Amino acid sequence: DAKTTQPTSMDCAEGRAANLPCNHSTISGNEYVYWYRQIHSQGPQYIIHGLKNNETNEMASLIITEDRKSSTLILPHATLRDTAVYYCIVRVGGQNFVFGPGTRLSVLP
Amino acid sequence: NAGVTQTPKFRILKIGQSMTLQCTQDMNHNYMYWYRQDPGMGLKLIYYSVGAGITDKGEVPNGYNVSRSTTEDFPLRLELAAPSQTSVYFCASSYSRGLNTEAFFGQGTRLTVV
Repeated sequence: DAKTTQPTSMDCAEGRAANLPCNHSTISGNEYVYWYRQIHSQGPQYIIHGLKNNETNEMASLIITEDRKSSTLILPHATLRDTAVYYCIVRVGGQNFVFGPGTRLSVLP
Repeated sequence: NAGVTQTPKFRILKIGQSMTLQCTQDMNHNYMYWYRQDPGMGLKLIYYSVGAGITDKGEVPNGYNVSRSTTEDFPLRLELAAPSQTSVYFCASSYSRGLNTEAFFGQGTRLTVV
C-alpha cells in the first residue's frame, strides 16, 4: 500500500485558509488521493479526492504536486466547525480505505 | 436518502455477552465495511463485503462475525464480548472498490465491555 505522512497537529486562525499537507512519495500512477475528516467521534466525512489534477468542490480544494508525491488540502476560510482530524488516504486499486492517525486541525477564534 | 444508518448508538455489554451491531444503507451500494476505532487511533478494518453473500476479513477480524444476506444490510456480531472490544464501530459503504469511488460512513456505535 502507498503510505501517507501527515503532521500530527496544526492550528489555524478562524477565517484564514487552512493548508493541510500530506506526503505520499510511493504513490503509483493510478492511485487516487482521498481526504476525509472526523469531527469529535462522528463518522468520517468524505471531503474530496483526486488523481493528478487539482480539484475543488464546495468544501475544499486539493492541490497535487506534478510528481504526485505530495498534496495539500485547502479549506479556504476555516471556521470553528472545521476543527477535526483530517485523514489523507492513498487508495490502492481494489483495496479498502486504510486510515492512519491523521492531522488534528484546531481552528482558533 | 438516509445514507448509512447504524444502531444502536451506544451499548454497554458485560464480558461474555453477545450482540449484533446493525448497519443498513439505502444507496444501493455493493460494497460495505466495518471499522473499529480505539481512542486516539485511526480506523481499522474488521470485515468487508463486496456484495450479498460475499464477505472477507480485514485487518482485525478476530472476535467478530458478519453476514450479508441483502444488499442493504451488513450486521456485525460479537459472540463473546471482551474488554478489548471496547471501541467505536463504524459501518461504511461504497458503490464499488474502484479507484475513483468514495465511501460513506455511518455515525458509529460506541460499545463498552465491562
